[in-house]
Amino acid sequence: AQRVTQPEKLLSVFKGAPVELKCNYSYSGSPELFWYVQYSRQRLQLLLRHISRESIKGFTADLNKGETSFHLKKPFAQEEDSAMYYCAPHNQAGTALIFGKGTTLSVSS
Amino acid sequence: EAEVAQSPRYKITEKSQAVAFWCDPISGHATLYWYRQILGQGPELLVQFQDESVVDDSQLPKDRFSAERLKGVDSTLKIQPAELGDSAMYLCASSFPAGGQETQYFGPGTRLLVL
Repeated sequence: AQRVTQPEKLLSVFKGAPVELKCNYSYSGSPELFWYVQYSRQRLQLLLRHISRESIKGFTADLNKGETSFHLKKPFAQEEDSAMYYCAPHNQAGTALIFGKGTTLSVSS
Repeated sequence: EAEVAQSPRYKITEKSQAVAFWCDPISGHATLYWYRQILGQGPELLVQFQDESVVDDSQLPKDRFSAERLKGVDSTLKIQPAELGDSAMYLCASSFPAGGQETQYFGPGTRLLVL
């Protein structure tokens, strides 16, 4: 079965601290990988995609094919980063996203 | 800025009743998705359309759920009869084909409570 694991349900950090939200996927190959975010009272939206190799709002995501991981990182968390984060690789058919259960990031001052 | 529209936003129904949800994707988006999100879980794909054709409905409980996108634009998801376990958020998303790099744009969702 194709599974996505986000081991932390809740991650609480202080403003300015580094953040790493973990994501592991269970299947081999090279799926397209995405992180989606949902801020309070807003819609689910794309944060970043692996192929773009971009940094969005200071976040980057590192793919480790050997460990089948796609962790999301930010060196200095801000209060406005508080949100629910979902790791979402493509399924093996490449037709749809498989969402993890999500990690709530809480950044306090 | 164009957005995905969904209605109703909230729906309370009794078990064994029929319910229907409507989604209007962003204009020009050929791909439309329906997801179910149970509390504490991530969204789970129910059905995916490419224009008016179903691409993937492998996770759709077809004994009670149906979905259509007759003209390849807006879409309706129906549950008949509703069961207590159907209580969840139902999300619609749409995307423009981009070779596997599509950004999915989500609607606000319909929160269903089955009593």
